[in-house]
Amino acid sequence: GENVEQHPSTLSVQEGDSAVIKCTYSDSASNYFPWYKQELGKRPQLIIDIRSNVGEKKDQRIAVTLNKTAKHFSLHITETQPEDSAVYFCAASSPRGYGNKLVFGAGTILRVKS
Amino acid sequence: NAGVTQTPKFQVLKTGQSMTLQCAQDMNHEYMSWYRQDPGMGLRLIHYSVGAGITDQGEVPNGYNVSRSTTEDFPLRLLSAAPSQTSVYFCASRLLGTDEAFFGQGTRLTVV
Repeated sequence: GENVEQHPSTLSVQEGDSAVIKCTYSDSASNYFPWYKQELGKRPQLIIDIRSNVGEKKDQRIAVTLNKTAKHFSLHITETQPEDSAVYFCAASSPRGYGNKLVFGAGTILRVKS
Repeated sequence: NAGVTQTPKFQVLKTGQSMTLQCAQDMNHEYMSWYRQDPGMGLRLIHYSVGAGITDQGEVPNGYNVSRSTTEDFPLRLLSAAPSQTSVYFCASRLLGTDEAFFGQGTRLTVV
C-alpha cells in the first residue's frame, strides 16, 4: 500500500522567513496530494491540495509543488506569521482499491517565532 | 449544516470495557472514515465506508468494529479497550468523486 514520509518533524522559523515541508510517497498511482493544518486541540483542515496533472499551485502565501518522477511534493509558506504555528500533515490519495484512501505523513510541528 | 459531529469529545475507559464512538454528518457524504492520531505517527486509517452497508479495513483495524446502516452515521466500536487504544480519534467524510475530506472535532480517548 501507499507510504508517505514527511520531513522535518519539527521546524522553527523566524517571523517573516519562509518554511518548507517535504513529503515523499511510494505509490506511483497516487493522484491527489492535500496538505492539512491542525492547530492545537483542533481538527485538521485542508489548506491546499494538488493533483498529479499539475506541477505547482499557489494560494496567497502558501504553495505546493509536485515532482511525479521523484514522487515527492512540498509545502512552501512565505512571510510566515505567528498564526502559521501549527502541525502540518501531507497526504496522498491512491485510486487503488475501494474508494480513494488518504494516507498521511507523520506531521511537522511548525513554530514561528516573533 | 453542522458538518461532521463526533461524540463524546473526551472519554476515559478501563481496560476491557467496551464503548462506541459516534460520528454523524449532514452533508450527504457517501464516504466516511475513522482515523487515530498518535504523536509522531500522523493520522492512521482504521476503517472506512463508501456507503450504507459497505465497510472495509484501513491500516490499523484490529480491536475496532464499524457498521454503516445509514448514510449519516458511522459509529466506531471498541469491544474490549486496551491501553494501546489511547489516542485521539477523528472521523472524516467526503463526497465520492471529490477529494476534500472534512474532519470532525475529534474524540480524546484514554484507556487506563
